[in-house]
Amino acid sequence: KAGVTQTPRYLIKTRGQQVTLSCSPISGHRSVSWYQQTPGQGLQFLFEYFSETQRNKGNFPGRFSGRQFSNSRSEMNVSTLELGDSALYLCASSLALGTQSPLHFGNGTRLTVT
Amino acid sequence: GESVGLHLPTLSVQEGDNSIINCAYSNSASDYFIWYKQESGKGPQFIIDIRSNMDKRQGQRVTVLLNKTVKHLSLQIAATQPGDSAVYFCAENAGGTSYGKLTFGQGTILTVHP
Repeated sequence: KAGVTQTPRYLIKTRGQQVTLSCSPISGHRSVSWYQQTPGQGLQFLFEYFSETQRNKGNFPGRFSGRQFSNSRSEMNVSTLELGDSALYLCASSLALGTQSPLHFGNGTRLTVT
Repeated sequence: GESVGLHLPTLSVQEGDNSIINCAYSNSASDYFIWYKQESGKGPQFIIDIRSNMDKRQGQRVTVLLNKTVKHLSLQIAATQPGDSAVYFCAENAGGTSYGKLTFGQGTILTVHP
């Protein structure tokens, strides 16, 4: 069974630009969550999607947004990029909302903002 | 201001030793706990989970212990191997309908010497 797939693996953008990251969950998984990982703040929750609806949101500015498609694939978007947005962005999937099943992570997209 | 990197705890062991990695969690309402292993360049990899109605769970070479009284979680790795070298994270979830929102610990760097 294929794991969580994230594309692209690496991105370099300039301040002020916007970026879209893509995530394909494990087949059969319907819940997708996004996390930001930085050396300074560690792993921080961004948002969670299930059935194309955002179910939970972390403490990030509105420049960070996402969506989920009917096939459970998800994208996240960051607009007006800032230097501090440089991070590893991780997508994770799990079976369903409200179940105690572990999140399975992809290998992330490394975003560098210059 | 300038961000300061997290200073991760480190654990250094010899191959074949048993390793114990500790984690203090913060939310007394958390009812589900997970241990992840993260190798360089990869996303967090699920190791083992435990629900709050349990105090011990065993997997292959790993055991997780949960002490709810003092809000403490530990991961024991038996016969540690060089391939176990990685950063280990504990994560907690307060449940409800949102098991996609995990709060991660800062991580512990495990180094196994041959």
